[in-house]
Amino acid sequence: EAQVTQNPRYLITVTGKKLTVTCSQNMNHEYMSWYRQDPGLGLRQIYYSMNVEVTDKGDVPEGYKVSRKEKRNFPLILESPSPNQTSLYFCASSFGDKLYEQYFGPGTRLTVT
Amino acid sequence: GNPVTQMEGPVTLSEEAFLTINCTYTATGYPSLFWYVQYPGEGLQLLLKATKADDKGSNKGFEATYRKETTSFHLEKGSVQVSDSAVYFCALSDRTGANNLFFGTGTRLTVIP
Repeated sequence: EAQVTQNPRYLITVTGKKLTVTCSQNMNHEYMSWYRQDPGLGLRQIYYSMNVEVTDKGDVPEGYKVSRKEKRNFPLILESPSPNQTSLYFCASSFGDKLYEQYFGPGTRLTVT
Repeated sequence: GNPVTQMEGPVTLSEEAFLTINCTYTATGYPSLFWYVQYPGEGLQLLLKATKADDKGSNKGFEATYRKETTSFHLEKGSVQVSDSAVYFCALSDRTGANNLFFGTGTRLTVIP
């Protein structure tokens, strides 16, 4: 089954404790992206990757890091989480020629206390 | 700012009622327009799209027409079902770069029997 998976689905952590949210897709998509979803703000892009070893900032990259060492994986790293990073996070992927038709993962709900 | 302006929710309708969710955009040129749907507990899914003026996207009984003269892409369905209860996002891509997929704030639809 074609899908984007994220882990964990739910995470409660404390300020400053490094964490990683994993994202994996099995569709051989070149493009992958991370979004955060907040009430009243919709989805905002954090980082994206056009292919292996190619990443770039989205609209709200502060406080986040990413890496793309393999085509299928695109982890999101919070080196020192803060309460304002409490949010619902989505990973997405797409083919190169249908870049804007994205497949989304199920989401990760993160709470930073 | 966000080039997508979407009707505020929430929207509550009775089964078989007519649905309209308004979406307008600001963009130069000819962006592509999308509607995504997010069912409870899931990631977003592409519902329909239109890539040029006067195109009509349709899927699952939903329709939206790309109106360049009014810069609008309103979502409609003639007879909603309880299973249509979800959050609907209008989105725009101006096709100038990989990070340029902009989402509206989302409209929550609840359909009651």
